[in-house]
Amino acid sequence: DAGITQSPRYKITETGRQVTLMCHQTWSHSYMFWYRQDLGHGLRLIYYSAAADITDKGEVPDGYVVSRSKTENFPLTLESATRSQTSVYFCASSDPSSGNTIYFGEGSWLTVV
Amino acid sequence: GESVGLHLPTLSVQEGDNSIINCAYSNSASDYFIWYKQESGKGPQFIIDIRSNMDKRQGQRVTVLLNKTVKHLSLQIAATQPGDSAVYFCAETENYGQNFVFGPGTRLSVLP
Repeated sequence: DAGITQSPRYKITETGRQVTLMCHQTWSHSYMFWYRQDLGHGLRLIYYSAAADITDKGEVPDGYVVSRSKTENFPLTLESATRSQTSVYFCASSDPSSGNTIYFGEGSWLTVV
Repeated sequence: GESVGLHLPTLSVQEGDNSIINCAYSNSASDYFIWYKQESGKGPQFIIDIRSNMDKRQGQRVTVLLNKTVKHLSLQIAATQPGDSAVYFCAETENYGQNFVFGPGTRLSVLP
């Protein structure tokens, strides 16, 4: 059972470049999420999706774009990376019909130089 | 805005002792809470959850206590082991929804 897989796990990019973080889940969960985790802050929600083709902004959506053409995939794109977007990004999923727990991937460490 | 916080940012305990990690929340409408464990370099892992209609729930070596009167949540780990060393954080949501608020976390260090 692969669960949630994120790629790349580690990425260094330059300011202004476009970066896409991939997320794939094998549970057929309806909900998927992208969070960022920074020192001094709890996990902060960037975007979430309740189902394919449905996405909504979270707490910190600026500078990010998401799409969900298939239930199992939820890529996160930084259109023009900035140093303030250096962070650890976690993809997560849940299925409210079978419980409300959110399950996380292993994270993608992104450094913008 | 609403927030979830922790009383202690770090906690060191001797192996074999019990650990208590605390979490204060400010949204009185929150009705579902989760504790997560996050080991270094890994994603958060579900430990235990509790709904607001309960004040205690037990798992394997872990117990979560909920005091709605003072909006306080705690995680108790019995017979703490080296493998318990990690950051622990709580999460809360309202209306049993998907919009969770996460605390910043407490680092638990288990001393030999």
